[in-house]
Amino acid sequence: QSVLTQPPSASGAPGQRVTISCSGSSSNIGSNYVYWYQQLPGTAPKLLIYRNNQRPSGVPDRFSGSKSGTSASLAISGLRSEDEADYYCAAWDDRLSGPNAVFGGGTKLTVL
Amino acid sequence: QVQLQESGPGLVKPSETLSLTCTVSGGSISTYYWSWIRQPPGKGLEWIGYIYYSGSTNYNPSLKSRVTISVGPSKNQFSLKLSSVTAADTAVYYCARGELLGYFDYWGQGTLVTASS
Repeated sequence: QSVLTQPPSASGAPGQRVTISCSGSSSNIGSNYVYWYQQLPGTAPKLLIYRNNQRPSGVPDRFSGSKSGTSASLAISGLRSEDEADYYCAAWDDRLSGPNAVFGGGTKLTVL
Repeated sequence: QVQLQESGPGLVKPSETLSLTCTVSGGSISTYYWSWIRQPPGKGLEWIGYIYYSGSTNYNPSLKSRVTISVGPSKNQFSLKLSSVTAADTAVYYCARGELLGYFDYWGQGTLVTASS
């Protein structure tokens, strides 16, 4: 059971816009930045969004992130076949002997 | 360009200790926080813990009693030991560079460790 909650799957046709949600609590998303990682099949995760809505160099502006309260979302516009991957949200959690990094369970994006 | 590479046995017997090393090239392990993250087959990511180059550590509470992360054995390496492994510890193990309360920007390619007799 992951600390952050994501839908297990999402899908969209090429060119469409899709959003992936990530729900947490006051000890993680509510008080810390949210990060998004993209994992292509058979590869290591790659940083996609940092500090809620910032894109690393090289990440297309089709990818955007947002955060409100204890939830966050990743939006992908102009969907392309190469976007088919698993997407994970992450945050730091201040509970217990933290900070501890926590991840969502991942969302498998299918491009129809 | 910073690169990370995991190394270690791909098969560990139940009840024994899993040992992995991450070698960092293209940069120094001085500064930054160095983490281990694992992913069971077909499942999501789980952070195991981090070490700062000075030696300070922090571990996932669910694994804390069995985990040790240390710097070395050589310069620009850090290691993971996970004791008393069971089948549930079978996973791809990644090492990654990060900042405290920040993102993981460089990852190793991952190494599959299977806990089986």
